[in-house]
Amino acid sequence: EVQLVQSGAEVKKPGESLKISCKGSGYSFTSYWIGWVRQMPGKGLEWMGIIYPGDSDTRYSPSFQGQVTISADKSISTAYLQWSSLKASDTAMYYCAKQDLAVAPFDYWGQGTLVTVSS
Amino acid sequence: EIVMTQSPATLSVSPGERATLSCRASQSVSSNLAWYQQKPGQAPRLLIYGASTRATGIPARFSGSGSGTEFTLTISSLQSEDFAVYYCQQYNNWPSLTFGGGTKVEIK
Repeated sequence: EVQLVQSGAEVKKPGESLKISCKGSGYSFTSYWIGWVRQMPGKGLEWMGIIYPGDSDTRYSPSFQGQVTISADKSISTAYLQWSSLKASDTAMYYCAKQDLAVAPFDYWGQGTLVTVSS
Repeated sequence: EIVMTQSPATLSVSPGERATLSCRASQSVSSNLAWYQQKPGQAPRLLIYGASTRATGIPARFSGSGSGTEFTLTISSLQSEDFAVYYCQQYNNWPSLTFGGGTKVEIK
């Protein structure tokens, strides 16, 4: 069974750093792209970027380029999303999701990680 | 970047009735269009891909149609569990994977 299990909710202050994780199981983690999707409170879905864990090839949405860093550790089947300096506007639910093929939708999703940034 | 526009923003439907949701792309995405369902407090779930192919385990009352720039998701007879927010997503312009703004299907 394919599963994506994300790390738990985080409460941070503005200016702090953060790295959240997404662990894949039940499939060949290195063979499929993993994406990150933001959902701000009461809002829609926004694609942030994707990574191919096999070689760490990473692509970013122009809206998020330079704002976050996506990485992966294939030895432990885990993808990451990190911030170096959080802002209040980063408060959101963040989902990881797996693509079936390169040009394909997200067929499996993690449960989401809620990030709250508040002073 | 391709912009995906969904309409209406909210659709009020009685149980058992048909619901028709629309999604328009700012340029052609061929048939590389997916629909997702999201219920409160849950992650999105893939319903339709390739504009018209149901994902595994999705009931036959969900159907998708369209190609190019105009797409439709139809729920033939709404069940109580279908009241949710629905998003379309284009993946033709990979790696850009833009979503529409969503349509909330609520009980009338």
